[in-house]
Amino acid sequence: GESVGLHLPTLSVQEGDNSIINCAYSNSASDYFIWYKQESGKGPQFIIDIRSNMDKRQGQRVTVLLNKTVKHLSLQIAATQPGDSAVYFCADPQGSARQLTFGSGTQLTVLP
Amino acid sequence: SQTIHQWPATLVQPVGSPLSLECTVEGTSNPNLYWYRQAAGRGLQLLFYSVGIGQISSEVPQNLSASRPQDRQFILSSKKLLLSDSGFYLCAWSAGAPHLYGYTFGSGTRLTVV
Repeated sequence: GESVGLHLPTLSVQEGDNSIINCAYSNSASDYFIWYKQESGKGPQFIIDIRSNMDKRQGQRVTVLLNKTVKHLSLQIAATQPGDSAVYFCADPQGSARQLTFGSGTQLTVLP
Repeated sequence: SQTIHQWPATLVQPVGSPLSLECTVEGTSNPNLYWYRQAAGRGLQLLFYSVGIGQISSEVPQNLSASRPQDRQFILSSKKLLLSDSGFYLCAWSAGAPHLYGYTFGSGTRLTVV
């Protein structure tokens, strides 16, 4: 069936390096994607979103890239900091007007 | 501004006991409301959603139920908890269709059934 998933369950990066978290989707009708950050014991927080009419969107230290040809999106975090350690989820309505479907998440660990 | 409140933050309940988790949203009207569960690991599983008072859609058959007695209040309940009901429960709201507005999550309730 259709799904939103992540390539890797864990990612470790050195403090100050850039991080790239990937997400694959299979629903061709997907037109909106959101990245959430979830710190331990807390609810997910919105980071950045992108619509299918865009290839790239930038926020503060974060960039989301969307490749509709291969149905892939990525979250890039520049100059990763210890506070970036969290689980990152991509989410997608998968054609639904009522709910989002979440990937399984990637645990980002920032090493000192 | 809109805020979402979820309580309690943690809860330890014996098997067979009832459950009531409450979620309220402030600063908006007629929100879409959602209950998710996050079991050990990281995935979020949609349990229920509501687009209006008294309107509940269930995504997964289970031991839980949901109610929306007021526009901005969403309650997750169980008559008899099972060990498998343990998890992190998250309430979320959306101003409308999620593909237009996305979700805002509450802070979650950590439920441990013993």
